Amino acid sequence: ILNVEQSPQSLHVQEGDSTNFTCSFPSSNFYALHWYRWETAKSPEALFVMTLNGDEKKKGRISATLNTKEGYSYLYIKGSQPEDSATYLCAYNSGGYQKVTFGIGTKLQVIP
Amino acid sequence: NAGVTQTPKFRVLKTGQSMTLLCAQDMNHEYMYWYRQDPGMGLRLIHYSVGEGTTAKGEVPDGYNVSRLKKQNFLLGLESAAPSQTSVYFCASSYPGQGYEQYFGPGTRLTVT
Repeated sequence: ILNVEQSPQSLHVQEGDSTNFTCSFPSSNFYALHWYRWETAKSPEALFVMTLNGDEKKKGRISATLNTKEGYSYLYIKGSQPEDSATYLCAYNSGGYQKVTFGIGTKLQVIP
Repeated sequence: NAGVTQTPKFRVLKTGQSMTLLCAQDMNHEYMYWYRQDPGMGLRLIHYSVGEGTTAKGEVPDGYNVSRLKKQNFLLGLESAAPSQTSVYFCASSYPGQGYEQYFGPGTRLTVT
């Protein structure tokens, strides 16, 4: 079983603050790293899929970076808004096999 | 496109009863998955399928069976439900591009009493 670890497990920030979370994964046999946003009572939706070392992806105020050599990815949220409140999952695909392994997630609450 | 749909949305079973959860996708995806989500455990893979007529075990397959008779459908069966199977079940599908990005259904909340 591949270990995908996320930190912190939960986070409270004030509206307007910027924040970031970490996902660590095995650096060997890397294929892809996914970030998903999961709102309460909904299903996870993909934010980013990254495959190359050094990849940086951005969607609005949210961005992600990838370091496959050391086995970590950061997700950044600039100027957090209450609607950013959700659980952010990362998932790791090894060797190009058809399945991914999910971390437990980071639960973000943005306080107005 | 409806994407990935799941039926039912909610179900309460008594210990020992059986049921089947249905997942359907209209995106022509080759791969389909069943996950369970429990507090503090994240999403854990139960079974998955890499194509019509194929199934494979995931991380937590015990107590579940699956079938993929048609490409668009993936069924998850509980033959004799146990309280430990109380969970939220998510179906997902994917395709080879985009690193097997998962497209999730809305989930089924199952309670076994």
